[in-house]
Amino acid sequence: LAKTTQPISMDSYEGQEVNITCSHNNIATNDYITWYQQFPSQGPRFIIQGYKTKVTNEVASLFIPADRKSSTLSLPRVSLSDTAVYYCLVGGSNTGFQKLVFGTGTRLLVSP
Amino acid sequence: DGGITQSPKYLFRKEGQNVTLSCEQNLNHDAMYWYRQDPGQGLRLIYYSQIVNDFQKGDIAEGYSVSREKKESFPLTVTSAQKNPTAFYLCASSITRNEKLFFGSGTQLSVL
Repeated sequence: LAKTTQPISMDSYEGQEVNITCSHNNIATNDYITWYQQFPSQGPRFIIQGYKTKVTNEVASLFIPADRKSSTLSLPRVSLSDTAVYYCLVGGSNTGFQKLVFGTGTRLLVSP
Repeated sequence: DGGITQSPKYLFRKEGQNVTLSCEQNLNHDAMYWYRQDPGQGLRLIYYSQIVNDFQKGDIAEGYSVSREKKESFPLTVTSAQKNPTAFYLCASSITRNEKLFFGSGTQLSVL
């Protein structure tokens, strides 16, 4: 299983763009990269998923370089409500999602 | 609305007592999962099930048991053998092994 490494915490201000990078050096050929958001006392919520290059949805963008050994979650113009823990997960068709390792995630604090 | 329902939201266990956490989904998902989260930590997989009447141990299955008699239900029993049960328990489901996880709102279990 590919292990992921993320910064423990990040600070930002409202209206700024936030980029959270995840390292996954041992990513397998069939692995996808998925990001989740978790608020206190709630279950994680799916944000975005990608395999290579760039993926964008209404909430975030995910940038994946050609070697796929890292990925960057980009949150445009964050607000106070984006204060949460963000998890980067790697898994795919070979291993399935049954044993996805969430890790401790990145705690993002957005200030006024 | 479709989703995952966990109950109760708060649960207290006495010494030597078994308690059961409920998880019901109406998303018609095949796979279901149980995770445990300790304060400030990531999620750890307890058990998972890909289909009815089948389930597999995760990374921390000792002291827990599950059943999967119906597609929509995946209850978790915390037995007296689990000596440190105080944690936040999260149930999730996915349509296949490779799809994104949908989480319930969690159950906070505490020991009296």
